[in-house]
Amino acid sequence: GAGVSQSPSNKVTEKGKDVELRCDPISGHTALYWYRQSLGQGLEFLIYFQGNSAPDKSGLPSDRFSAERTGESVSTLTIQRTQQEDSAVYLCASSLARRDTQYFGPGTRLTVL
Amino acid sequence: AQSVTQLGSHVSVSEGALVLLRCNYSSSVPPYLFWYVQYPNQGLQLLLKYTSAATLVKGINGFEAEFKKSETSFHLTKPSAHMSDAAEYFCAVTRSGAGSYQLTFGKGTKLSVIP
Repeated sequence: GAGVSQSPSNKVTEKGKDVELRCDPISGHTALYWYRQSLGQGLEFLIYFQGNSAPDKSGLPSDRFSAERTGESVSTLTIQRTQQEDSAVYLCASSLARRDTQYFGPGTRLTVL
Repeated sequence: AQSVTQLGSHVSVSEGALVLLRCNYSSSVPPYLFWYVQYPNQGLQLLLKYTSAATLVKGINGFEAEFKKSETSFHLTKPSAHMSDAAEYFCAVTRSGAGSYQLTFGKGTKLSVIP
């Protein structure tokens, strides 16, 4: 079956612009996660959605970052007023339920000039 | 709180030699442990996971790992390296109890295989 997909695969933007990153989880997976992978910080958890429960936003680095998910489908991660330190690969993962194996998408490489 | 330490950011082995990638964890509760592999410009692929059943876990592509509670280790091994094993490997931990969803990753170990 289809895996986790993310779009765009690459995004180049200018400092100060807003960007939206999209994640399509595996069909039927109730849990969805966003992680960030950067040279300096490695892989970091950003946010977690589980069904209709309130998301866990504890990993978001600043209030410029936000994410939404409609039901158990697509999620978007929005970064407002991008800064150069936001440059990273943003990875999305989904799992059947909260404690199950997380399956990762290919990531979106964000470059902020 | 949990943390993962991977010893060696870069490991080189000859083709056919033993692969040993080290991972030590810190967790205040019994952990679930994972090894993921990342090929260039790709996402993370699960190699294997430990969830408190057998301490020796076998994964894909001939890899295995042993959970050693006394040493707080979860080292990844493969008896004979293949050129296709060249990639970056990440050890990760999550809690086994409530709130057990987010993965905490190590910094990664890049494996090079020399022909």
